Amino acid sequence: EAGVVQSPRYKIIEKKQPVAFWCNPISGHNTLYWYRQNLGQGPELLIRYENEEAVDDSQLPKDRFSAERLKGVDSTLKIQPAELGDSAVYLCASSLENPDSNTGELFFGEGSRLTVL
Amino acid sequence: KNQVEQSPQSLIILEGKNCTLQCNYTVSPFSNLRWYKQDTGRGPVSLTIMTFSENTKSNGRYTATLDADTKQSSLHITASQLSDSASYICVVSAWSNYQLIWGAGTKLIIKP
Repeated sequence: EAGVVQSPRYKIIEKKQPVAFWCNPISGHNTLYWYRQNLGQGPELLIRYENEEAVDDSQLPKDRFSAERLKGVDSTLKIQPAELGDSAVYLCASSLENPDSNTGELFFGEGSRLTVL
Repeated sequence: KNQVEQSPQSLIILEGKNCTLQCNYTVSPFSNLRWYKQDTGRGPVSLTIMTFSENTKSNGRYTATLDADTKQSSLHITASQLSDSASYICVVSAWSNYQLIWGAGTKLIIKP
């Protein structure tokens, strides 16, 4: 079974440029998460989807970040315009159920490392 | 405020030795506690998930314990191997809003 697939793995852009990340979750997983992880820190949730609905986007900087999950399957995360402080690893994860369930185990992709110059 | 604190921040041990990583949390209401292993440049991988009623759970050479009264958990690694070098992250799920509270992780280095 294929895991969570993310692309690109690495992206280097200049500040003020746009960037987009793509995620394809494990087949059948209804819940999809986007996290941002800075070096030496734990992941921080940006947005959580239940199917195509964004159920928690309270930590998403909506002035420059946007996300979508069309048809409740794959998802894209966009930053426009990027700032120096956006340099981080952007992780996508999926789960079969919500985190309260013992089957709500999160499966992560390899991440997309963004460097903003 | 819901928080998860891990100690030590980093740890270096020799191959073959045992070690224990600590996690203290102030998350309420508690749902479950997870330990993840994250290799450098990779996404986290789940090691264990424990609910309120579970005191201990093993996954090969990894054994996690949970004391819900003191709000503490530990991850014990037995007979460490070079491949155990990674960051180990403790995550606590809050019941009311499905929120996952992540610790900063312990960076473990195994030396030959």
